[in-house]
Amino acid sequence: DVKVTQSSRYLVKRTGEKVFLECVQDMDHENMFWYRQDPGLGLRLIYFSYDVKMKEKGDIPEGYSVSREKKERFSLILESASTNQTSMYLCASSRGQGDYGYTFGSGTRLTVV
Amino acid sequence: GQQVMQIPQYQHVQEGEDFTTYCNSSTTLSNIQWYKQRPGGHPVFLIQLVKSGEVKKQKRLTFQFGEAKKNSSLHITATQTTDVGTYFCAGRRSNYKLTFGKGTLLTVNP
Repeated sequence: DVKVTQSSRYLVKRTGEKVFLECVQDMDHENMFWYRQDPGLGLRLIYFSYDVKMKEKGDIPEGYSVSREKKERFSLILESASTNQTSMYLCASSRGQGDYGYTFGSGTRLTVV
Repeated sequence: GQQVMQIPQYQHVQEGEDFTTYCNSSTTLSNIQWYKQRPGGHPVFLIQLVKSGEVKKQKRLTFQFGEAKKNSSLHITATQTTDVGTYFCAGRRSNYKLTFGKGTLLTVNP
């Protein structure tokens, strides 16, 4: 069964900390995505990657960066966490360049205090 | 940028009633996808529609893609308590990115 695994289900960090959210997929998918989900705002794309070492900004990249050193792993980095980054973070992956559905991870609920 | 509007935001029904959620895009889409997110869960891919006017069925769920490929709907016949959750549409233009609607939260009274 296809799986996207996010390293933490819940995370509490302090303002100003550097935060790493990890995502690993076991499906050999080329594409990986990071979304945040907030009540009333739906899912908003932060960054995505079509290939190893490749990244592109999504709709709300400010305050975030990403790393994709291996095909199966896509990391989201909050350089200096702020309280407005408190959110549910969802990682997703999909096959190739065609039109395929996304497989989402279970999410990381991050609270910045 | 591309906008995908979804209505209604919330829908509460009695078990056995029908339910419909609608999705409208400001631009023509190459395809549209639908996802379901159970309370406390993550979005799960349901289906993809690609052709103009396409209709697909999954048991009690009927998905439609408009002729102009700018709108879509999901209809559930005779809702059950297991249908509870948020239903998202997601539209794709010519690039890789999906743009998600804000979702419709369905609650079902047994």
